[in-house]
Amino acid sequence: DAGVIQSPRHEVTEMGQEVTLRCKPISGHDYLFWYRQTMMRGLELLIYFNNNVPIDDSGMPEDRFSAKMPNASFSTLKIQPSEPRDSAVYFCASSLLGVYNEQFFGPGTRLTVL
Amino acid sequence: TQLLEQSPQFLSIQEGENLTVYCNSSSVFSSLQWYRQEPGEGPVLLVTVVTGGEVKKLKRLTFQFGDARKDSSLHITAAQPGDTGLYLCAGLNNNAGNMLTFGGGTRLMVKP
Repeated sequence: DAGVIQSPRHEVTEMGQEVTLRCKPISGHDYLFWYRQTMMRGLELLIYFNNNVPIDDSGMPEDRFSAKMPNASFSTLKIQPSEPRDSAVYFCASSLLGVYNEQFFGPGTRLTVL
Repeated sequence: TQLLEQSPQFLSIQEGENLTVYCNSSSVFSSLQWYRQEPGEGPVLLVTVVTGGEVKKLKRLTFQFGDARKDSSLHITAAQPGDTGLYLCAGLNNNAGNMLTFGGGTRLMVKP
């Protein structure tokens, strides 16, 4: 079975540009999570969806960040406009409703904003 | 806000040595998970512990959940270079949504 798929794997852009990160969760999973990881702050939850509906976006840093999940097999995280401090690795993870909520992570997108 | 603190943050040891990583909180968790992350990849689940006092073994790795379900430890026996990576603990509180609270991680390097 395919795991969580993320694209692109690497993105280099200039400050002020729009960035769109993409995620395909594991088929049948009903939860989808977006995380950001940096050396300074570790792994931070940005937003998560249940059955395509955003449940908690309190981790989204500011209005420049937005996330959508138009259907059960696709989600996007958009940054507009991007800033150098947004440079990080962004992970998407999915899970199936259960007692333990074990999450399966994608390989991540390494974003560099110059 | 529930916080998980991991220690040590960094650990560099020689192949064959033993080590223990700690994950502590002042909050009670319904369950606790350990993940390992290798460079350039996402975290991968190693184990979930559920019951206070529970001990689980995965080859040379031993995981323990504290009696009060506030802390956990990971012990590696005879570490190998393949154990190198970032180890993350994550707590789940079923009464607070379906989110995991991640610790800051322990970065382990095992030198041959």
